[in-house]
Amino acid sequence: NAGVTQTPKFRILKIGQSMTLQCTQDMNHNYMYWYRQDPGMGLKLIYYSVGAGITDKGEVPNGYNVSRSTTEDFPLRLELAAPSQTSVYFCASSSRGLDTYNEQFFGPGTRLTVL
Amino acid sequence: GQQLNQSPQSMFIQEGEDVSMNCTSSSIFNTWLWYKQDPGEGPVLLIALYKAGELTSNGRLTAQFGITRKDSFLNISASIPSDVGIYFCAAVGLDSNYQLIWGAGTKLIIKP
Repeated sequence: NAGVTQTPKFRILKIGQSMTLQCTQDMNHNYMYWYRQDPGMGLKLIYYSVGAGITDKGEVPNGYNVSRSTTEDFPLRLELAAPSQTSVYFCASSSRGLDTYNEQFFGPGTRLTVL
Repeated sequence: GQQLNQSPQSMFIQEGEDVSMNCTSSSIFNTWLWYKQDPGEGPVLLIALYKAGELTSNGRLTAQFGITRKDSFLNISASIPSDVGIYFCAAVGLDSNYQLIWGAGTKLIIKP
């Protein structure tokens, strides 16, 4: 069981470039999340999804887009990369949402640098 | 907005020592969580707390949900080298809209 996988592990972008961070989970979880982690800080929620075809903004959605066409995949898109988007990005999934908390399982992260 | 104040930021301890860290807020939460993050990995859940006053253990780890619902602490007894990493508290608010609020983390370093 692979759990939550993320690709790539590392990426360097130039300002203005675009890219997609991939996230896949094989646990049949309905709920998926994207977080960013800046140095010395906790995680900030970017977007989340409660099921295929349904997404919603988190705390820091500006500059990002998501889609959820399948239960397994939840890609995060950066359209015009900016230095402020330099961070480590984590994808997570859970079998239920946070109205009654159920454990979130995290991927290993993607370290993104924008120069 | 809701914030969690986690302290200390970092701890340098000797192997075998006990460790204590805490998380406080001015807001009320109905679930407190403690995660550990190893270098280059995502956070992994250690303990989840669902009721005010609840005290829960997981091996050498013990966590408590504060009676005011505004704080939580984590203790690690008899630390060992594999305890190094960053420990995060996280909480679920009454009107969280599916969002976890995260503390900034406590970095645990064990002196050789």
